[in-house]
Amino acid sequence: DGGITQSPKYLFRKEGQNVTLSCEQNLNHDAMYWYRQDPGQGLRLIYYSQIVNDFQKGDIAEGYSVSREKKESFPLTVTSAQKNPTAFYLCASNPRATHYGYTFGSGTRLTVV
Amino acid sequence: QKEVEQNSGPLSVPEGAIASLNCTYSDRGSQSFFWYRQYSGKSPELIMSIYSNGDKEDGRFTAQLNKASQYVSLLIRDSQPSDSATYLCAVNSGSQGNLIFGKGTKLSVKP
Repeated sequence: DGGITQSPKYLFRKEGQNVTLSCEQNLNHDAMYWYRQDPGQGLRLIYYSQIVNDFQKGDIAEGYSVSREKKESFPLTVTSAQKNPTAFYLCASNPRATHYGYTFGSGTRLTVV
Repeated sequence: QKEVEQNSGPLSVPEGAIASLNCTYSDRGSQSFFWYRQYSGKSPELIMSIYSNGDKEDGRFTAQLNKASQYVSLLIRDSQPSDSATYLCAVNSGSQGNLIFGKGTKLSVKP
């Protein structure tokens, strides 16, 4: 079955450590997105990519980095510059057509310890 | 800043009643509108999309769109306890067509 796989499901980060969240899709979608969700809050866009080897900053890109070397993969690195990284991270994809909604992965819950 | 506004709730309805969820948006150029359901601790799931003014029905769900008033709504008929979740409204916006999400309305259906 086609879908989006995020891993790991839970991740614990120590202060000052970089961590990478994985997002893989086999839907043949061109566009991929990373969102952050805090308790009681909506989804805030971190980064997005419409095609391979190209990506744009979203509303809250500071402290995060991404790469898009393959169509199927869009990993997100949470760097030590991100001062409040504890959140639920969601990856989504879309066929790059505005008439389609996004398909979401199951999410990664990141906690700073 | 383009925005999507929803009442945060909680909206509480008895089992079998109609639940009405509302959303307003600021970008008059928006063309695509979506409703997502998100259970606690889970990721959002697309349940309805609507693109033209009027109503669109799918089972117990009806989406309503009024572009002149910049208003989208979701009606859930014969509400069930399993409908208890947070409902996110999403609207496409901007040249890239990215979705902007509201903060969601928490719905509680009481048996």
